[in-house]
Amino acid sequence: GQQVMQIPQYQHVQEGEDFTTYCNSSTTLSNIQWYKQRPGGHPVFLIQLVKSGEVKKQKRLTFQFGEAKKNSSLHITATQTTDVGTYFCAGRAGKSTFGDGTTLTVKP
Amino acid sequence: NAGVTQTPKFRILKIGQSMTLQCTQDMNHNYMYWYRQDPGMGLKLIYYSVGAGITDKGEVPNGYNVSRSTTEDFPLRLELAAPSQTSVYFCASSNGYEQFFGPGTRLTVL
Repeated sequence: GQQVMQIPQYQHVQEGEDFTTYCNSSTTLSNIQWYKQRPGGHPVFLIQLVKSGEVKKQKRLTFQFGEAKKNSSLHITATQTTDVGTYFCAGRAGKSTFGDGTTLTVKP
Repeated sequence: NAGVTQTPKFRILKIGQSMTLQCTQDMNHNYMYWYRQDPGMGLKLIYYSVGAGITDKGEVPNGYNVSRSTTEDFPLRLELAAPSQTSVYFCASSNGYEQFFGPGTRLTVL
């Protein structure tokens, strides 16, 4: 079945440093979504990417979808303490499959 | 709009007991999902529904059952609870685009 892998599992950064999480699928995806889950909270939708090579930005967050539509990345520039949480990708190939997430902690 | 609501928030069950986790959405979404999230892990799909009267298995359906008699409600039934079912359960609904998640039910089976 479809597998979605995310790396790294954990990332600890100093406030102001950049952060990147990567998502890789075993199959070609029709789209990929990104969600953020704050500690103790529930996942909240951030964005959806559909086109090969697509790049979207939300303030300090940059999302990319690979040319082969099998991988994606989320990059945060100059992290802030409000960025802490777990970032999940969800790749759709028929059904959506969530990766295991990358948990970001930020030292002030 | 309340969005997606789940009850109860917390529950402790003894091995072999059964219970129903309730999920209701007021957004008139056709798609609804049940996930479980084990500590430090991602979301595993248990069951999903594409509309009232239609349900299908996800990745980890064993030990669970669902029904979808209305658009709004999608209860998850646990029969014969086992310690392996200790987890946080999230219900979600979707209009076919993003998924909206409920606050979750934290279930412990002892």
